[in-house]
Amino acid sequence: GEDVEQSLFLSVREGDSSVINCTYTDSSSTYLYWYKQEPGAGLQLLTYIFSNMDMKQDQRLTVLLNKKDKHLSLRIADTQTGDSAIYFCAERYDYKLSFGAGTTVTVRA
Amino acid sequence: EAGVVQSPRYKIIEKKQPVAFWCNPISGHNTLYWYRQNLGQGPELLIRYENEEAVDDSQLPKDRFSAERLKGVDSTLKIQPAELGDSAVYLCASSLRANSGANVLTFGAGSRLTVL
Repeated sequence: GEDVEQSLFLSVREGDSSVINCTYTDSSSTYLYWYKQEPGAGLQLLTYIFSNMDMKQDQRLTVLLNKKDKHLSLRIADTQTGDSAIYFCAERYDYKLSFGAGTTVTVRA
Repeated sequence: EAGVVQSPRYKIIEKKQPVAFWCNPISGHNTLYWYRQNLGQGPELLIRYENEEAVDDSQLPKDRFSAERLKGVDSTLKIQPAELGDSAVYLCASSLRANSGANVLTFGAGSRLTVL
């Protein structure tokens, strides 16, 4: 089965970098995703990475994938107050996405 | 593009009452998903449709939950009778095809159910 784990909370100062970590268990995962959820809203895709890549950069977002350790991270550069949200890591196994419990990121001034 | 539309946004019912949620996916998306998100948790898949066929309903509690996707577009999810433990946010998502590349899911805003 699939199991995705994330730390629950992260507090970061505005302008600093945020790093959110995730571990997954299924080595057969083909894609890994980061979604963002703001209060009262659905999940919004931020970025994804194919399992044969080890890094992907998209503007302020950098995804690092360590397949050997089954570890995924999301770095947000120059964190802004609008980045305050819950961030979910997800792995794709077969046709199913399995999500972690989410990391609540709080940006303080 | 309207995105994935869900209704109602909020529903409060007493236990043992029925409830239904409706989802309109993005036009052209063949695959539709219903997820349940409990408080403080990530979404968990209930059912996946490819067009009008339910291809994965292994996590759907079939004694009280039912779903349909007539004509392969809109979908409804029903709970009858509702129990206290059904309180959650029910998320609908759609994607082009489940086996298409990264298969990016687009989520609706969700329907928050409170069972009293």
